[in-house]
Amino acid sequence: NAGVTQTPKFQVLKTGQSMTLQCAQDMNHEYMSWYRQDPGMGLRLIHYSVGAGITDQGEVPNGYNVSRSTTEDFPLRLLSAAPSQTSVYFCASSSLGGAGEQFFGPGTRLTVL
Amino acid sequence: ELKVEQNPLFLSMQEGKNYTIYCNYSTTSDRLYWYRQDPGKSLESLFVLLSNGAVKQEGRLMASLDTKARLSTLHITAAVHDLSATYFCAGDNNNDMRFGAGTRLTVKP
Repeated sequence: NAGVTQTPKFQVLKTGQSMTLQCAQDMNHEYMSWYRQDPGMGLRLIHYSVGAGITDQGEVPNGYNVSRSTTEDFPLRLLSAAPSQTSVYFCASSSLGGAGEQFFGPGTRLTVL
Repeated sequence: ELKVEQNPLFLSMQEGKNYTIYCNYSTTSDRLYWYRQDPGKSLESLFVLLSNGAVKQEGRLMASLDTKARLSTLHITAAVHDLSATYFCAGDNNNDMRFGAGTRLTVKP
C-alpha cells in the first residue's frame, strides 16, 4: 500500500495563479481532509469529506475548493493564489468507524510570490 | 466550535526525567488524538483515545483521557533524545478536526 500520496512536493506560484494539489489514498478510507500548517503553528483544517460526493468546510476554507468524485482522490484547488496561502499543506485519510486513526501524506510546500 | 489548547508550548527535558504535556479542549470531542512531528516531516499518529478513562501506552509514552474534565495528557517516562519532536493533540467534533498549537519537546543529555 502506498498510503496517502500528495503531489507536488514543492510548488512556487505567482499571486493570482490557480493550481490543484493532488491527494490520493489506497486504503479505502471514507474520511479525507486537507490541512495547512504555518510556521510554529498547529494544523488548521481547510476542507474535509466523509465520502464520495460529500464535502464540508473546516476552519479556514476561504480561497480553496475541493471535490470528491471517487473514494481515492481528494484534490484541493487554489482559485487565485495569495501570499497568505504560503504554507505547508497536508492531506490525511481515515476510516470513519473504529479508532479513526488518521494517516497523513508527506505534504506539499507551497510558496506564493 | 471546538478549541484545543496545549501546554506547555516548549519543553526542554533532561534525559531520564519524566514530564507531562496537557491538552484541554472546549467542547465535546468524539475522539482525542496525539501525533508526533519531526522537523520537516509529516505527522505520525501516536494514539487515538475514544472514551472517558481511556489509557494507551507505547514505549515511554502514555496518553490518557478524562472527558469530564475535557483533558488529555501525554506522559513521558524516562525521556531519551529520540523523543525530541513536536507533539500535537487534536480533537474532532463530528469530523471537524481541531489541533492544538503543539509542544516542542527537546530532550538533552
